[in-house]
Amino acid sequence: EAEVAQSPRYKITEKSQAVAFWCDPISGHATLYWYRQILGQGPELLVQFQDESVVDDSQLPKDRFSAERLKGVDSTLKIQPAELGDSAMYLCASSIRDRSESPLHFGNGTRLTVT
Amino acid sequence: SQKIEQNSEALNIQEGKTATLTCNYTNYSPAYLQWYRQDPGRGPVFLLLIRENEKEKRKERLKVTFDTTLKQSLFHITASQPADSATYLCALDHQAGTALIFGKGTTLSVSS
Repeated sequence: EAEVAQSPRYKITEKSQAVAFWCDPISGHATLYWYRQILGQGPELLVQFQDESVVDDSQLPKDRFSAERLKGVDSTLKIQPAELGDSAMYLCASSIRDRSESPLHFGNGTRLTVT
Repeated sequence: SQKIEQNSEALNIQEGKTATLTCNYTNYSPAYLQWYRQDPGRGPVFLLLIRENEKEKRKERLKVTFDTTLKQSLFHITASQPADSATYLCALDHQAGTALIFGKGTTLSVSS
């Protein structure tokens, strides 16, 4: 079964440094999401793409976070500068379309630790 | 304010029993509600979706109900097994075409 690929699997960085995460969704999935999950909490949306366009980035801290999906396929999420409170699991998900009835397919995430 | 609440953070049951997990929501009118399973250190995995006009949905040992009057979904695992131990997340859409909003999850532990 096709999977959503994410890398790196783990990342440790010092505060004020830059960090980047990469996601390759399932082939043919037009919609891509980045979620952040703090330990013990549910995933919270950071940004939603439809093809290469941003549909919703209302919860993305734009002073330090940026996301792109240049060719409408893979995507990169960047944090600069990282802060201690950014320590979390960053999950990428994709779905066939942007309708609510489309199940999300998640990758196994990048666990970020900021020291 | 809008909220999704999953009844408890942890649920412990004996193998063979039925596990029932609750998802309550306020100030949403979702057209769909989904349930996901998440194992430690992994991403959530889709289990079931139920539409607002459906009362019940089943898949093998899983059953989901959706009561839009009570604003509640119940998730049942019958004949539970230790392998069912995981965190279960409910998620809903607050507007058509928007991303899912997730609850905090309930961690189920099934002991043999």
